[in-house]
Amino acid sequence: GAGVSQSPSNKVTEKGKDVELRCDPISGHTALYWYRQSLGQGLEFLIYFQGNSAPDKSGLPSDRFSAERTGGSVSTLTIQRTQQEDSAVYLCASSLAGTGRYTEAFFGQGTRLTVV
Amino acid sequence: KQEVTQIPAALSVPEGENLVLNCSFTDSAIYNLQWFRQDPGKGLTSLLLIQSSQREQTSGRLNASLDKSSGRSTLYIAASQPGDSATYLCAVKGTNAGKSTFGDGTTLTVKP
Repeated sequence: GAGVSQSPSNKVTEKGKDVELRCDPISGHTALYWYRQSLGQGLEFLIYFQGNSAPDKSGLPSDRFSAERTGGSVSTLTIQRTQQEDSAVYLCASSLAGTGRYTEAFFGQGTRLTVV
Repeated sequence: KQEVTQIPAALSVPEGENLVLNCSFTDSAIYNLQWFRQDPGKGLTSLLLIQSSQREQTSGRLNASLDKSSGRSTLYIAASQPGDSATYLCAVKGTNAGKSTFGDGTTLTVKP
């Protein structure tokens, strides 16, 4: 596609349910990032994938959060047993490479998650 | 731990003014610095990326500078327009590449 695509754009879920958020990076981009933007707060790093390397999971806030990237392309962020504090906009970004010249990050439109 | 600060938090200017947005970071060992704009309810749009070896980058009415040693970057917007109204974010990528640390942004309002 022309840009980073995220789905769904909006998700309302009940507390305690599991949710899956999807990110389709720009074709050919080897690096993929997930960030979270809570109301009135800055962007918080969650996880980073680079090619076939082990992902950097250092930003995941708890073991309820996990992410995978299948075939080096599409990524899914899963939140288990959602809590109200998980309500935020989840942003995905990709870049052609993780290092070197081609590290300009391009963001999707985000998924707004509301836990009620 | 890298910390990124953007000043001012909000700025309101009349149309046509030139303006400067500031970004400072605490750890000068960076890989690159990227400026973004974010419109309400939208994702981030990349404006400029400056590699650690560069001093500035220009795109149209935008010019971004980087002074790694002092931990500062500025985004200069010339001849501002109402369409420039948005939140501007700077993001610093550390030398291990991977994740970036973001500032809280400067919300710019350009009045017609």
